Amino acid sequence: GDSVTQMEGPVTLSEEAFLTINCTYTATGYPSLFWYVQYPGEGLQLLLKATKADDKGSNKGFEATYRKETTSFHLEKGSVQVSDSAVYFCALSYGGTSYGKLTFGQGTILTVHP
Amino acid sequence: DADVTQTPRNRITKTGKRIMLECSQTKGHDRMYWYRQDPGLGLRLIYYSFDVKDINKGEISDGYSVSRQAQAKFSLSLESAIPNQTALYFCATSDSNNQPQHFGDGTRLSIL
Repeated sequence: GDSVTQMEGPVTLSEEAFLTINCTYTATGYPSLFWYVQYPGEGLQLLLKATKADDKGSNKGFEATYRKETTSFHLEKGSVQVSDSAVYFCALSYGGTSYGKLTFGQGTILTVHP
Repeated sequence: DADVTQTPRNRITKTGKRIMLECSQTKGHDRMYWYRQDPGLGLRLIYYSFDVKDINKGEISDGYSVSRQAQAKFSLSLESAIPNQTALYFCATSDSNNQPQHFGDGTRLSIL
């Protein structure tokens, strides 16, 4: 079956540091890939998405590129802020009648210190 | 007002009790979902519904049931709660046009 694996956390960085959170997937078809972010006490919010190979999703300074050859969708940001402290989830789903059945990674806790 | 509203936000109850978690949405979406979140496991799908007459089991439906009372309402029930159902529960919605899901703020459920 399909699965998503994220790098283990927690990740602790200083403000303005470079961020990478690794995500790899196993899929039987050609899924869409997502990064969701969960701030303390809140639900998940879509951060970015990519729907096909070589697509790059970007939002709020975060980027991730859909790499079919390495089955990866790593999240990057050039300069993190304290306000980026949150839990980050990588996920995949398929289109058509199966759309929306998200398969999540285990989540990576990010803490950014001033 | 929130687009996806879950009630209650927090609940503590005892083993064997019947619990209902409610979700309502103002986004006009057809599709609604219930997930549970456990530390280190991410979110796992319990049940989902693509319209009012459609109910489908997710990967961990045992011990749970759902009711889609209207397009805007989707409730999750635990008929006889047990401690390993202690978790954070999320409702989500999406429309039928291949768009991402929108999540509520979650219900923290503790079963003693």
